[in-house]
This record gives sequence, C-alpha cells and structure tokens, in this order.
Amino acid sequence: AQTVTQSQPEMSVQEAETVTLSCTYDTSESDYYLFWYKQPPSRQMILVIRQEAYKQQNATENRFSVNFQKAAKSFSLKISDSQLGDAAMYFCAYRQEYGNKLVFGAGTILRVKS
Amino acid sequence: NAGVTQTPKFRILKIGQSMTLQCAQDMNHNYMYWYRQDPGMGLKLIYYSVGAGITDKGEVPNGYNVSRSTTEDFPLRLELAAPSQTSVYFCASSLASGEETQYFGPGTRLLVL
Repeated sequence: AQTVTQSQPEMSVQEAETVTLSCTYDTSESDYYLFWYKQPPSRQMILVIRQEAYKQQNATENRFSVNFQKAAKSFSLKISDSQLGDAAMYFCAYRQEYGNKLVFGAGTILRVKS
Repeated sequence: NAGVTQTPKFRILKIGQSMTLQCAQDMNHNYMYWYRQDPGMGLKLIYYSVGAGITDKGEVPNGYNVSRSTTEDFPLRLELAAPSQTSVYFCASSLASGEETQYFGPGTRLLVL
C-alpha cells in the first residue's frame, strides 16, 4: 500500500520570505500523481499544485513550486514571497495513475509571521 | 456553479443515533468520495463511487453506508453513531480517473457524545 509522510508537523516563515514543506512517499508504481492541498481555518480543502510523475519538469503555480525527485520519492513544496493568507495546514497527497483514491499525509501547519 | 456542497455544516449526535450527511455536486462529475479527517490527521477515504448505482469501500468503511442513485448526490449514512465517529467529513468529486483532480466540499463537523 502507498504511504505519504510529512515529517514537519509545523513550520514558520516570515512574511515575504520563502519556505519549503517536505513530503516523501512510498510506492511501487511508476506512474502516479502527487498533489499539495491547502486547508485554511475554514477547513475547505483547496488544491495548490499537481505533479504528474511521468513529467520531469517541476510544476509551478505562481508563488508555489515543487521539487519532485522521483528516484528519492520526494515531493517538496516551495512557497515564495510568503503572505499572511498562506497560513494554513498543508497536505501532501498521492494518487495512482488510474486510481481514484487519494492517500494523504498527516499535514504540516504553516504559520506566517508579520 | 456551486461546486460540491455539503449539509449540515455541524451536528451533534448522541451515541446510538443515526444520521445522513448530504453531498451534492453540480459539475456533472462521475466520481464522488467521502473522507473523514480526525484531529491532527490527514484525510482517510471512507467510500467512493464511480457512477450512479456503483459504490465501493475505501480505507475506513466500518459504521457507514452510502448510496448513489443520481450523478449529483452521494449521501453518507451513519448507523448507530459512536464517539469514534467524531470527525470532520469531506465529500469530493472528480470528472473521471486519469488526470482529473478531486474537488472538495466545505466539510461537515460531527460530534458524537
């Protein structure tokens, strides 16, 4: 079974600075998808970024980018120019290529200091 | 286009009571899912459906039932509520398999006392 591990229960960053959230996963599959979801205090789950394992290029979405290391099974999220609105719980998630089930990590709380 | 909607937002149940959590989507998505999120934890899949009339168990299905009579609706039934079912429940949907991303509802917070 696939597992997703987020080793940082909590992280802090100064406003306008850059922070990186870590995620590792375990799978025997060669093709799959990885996601980062943001969960603010409202508890809504918001998709931040998605990476297809067959793509070598790292995904980017404005201030958010990933460092996808397939051989190391690592999928970190970098947030540049951090803003107060970035404060939330961030979840890393895995999905098989033709599967429908998301496997989530335990999450990382990100605090942004002004 | 409301996306994925869930009702109620919050509910308190007594042990042994039953209730149905409602979920609806207006995006014509084939796939729908129910997750639960316990405090400080990631989401775990309870049940999912790949289309009307088709449902399957996820990782933690015990104590729950689902049905999918229409494409739009995917209710989750709790029979004989237990304190261990205190959690936040999220419904999600996606168009199909492949590259499709799951879109989440706002969640239902359930407290069983």
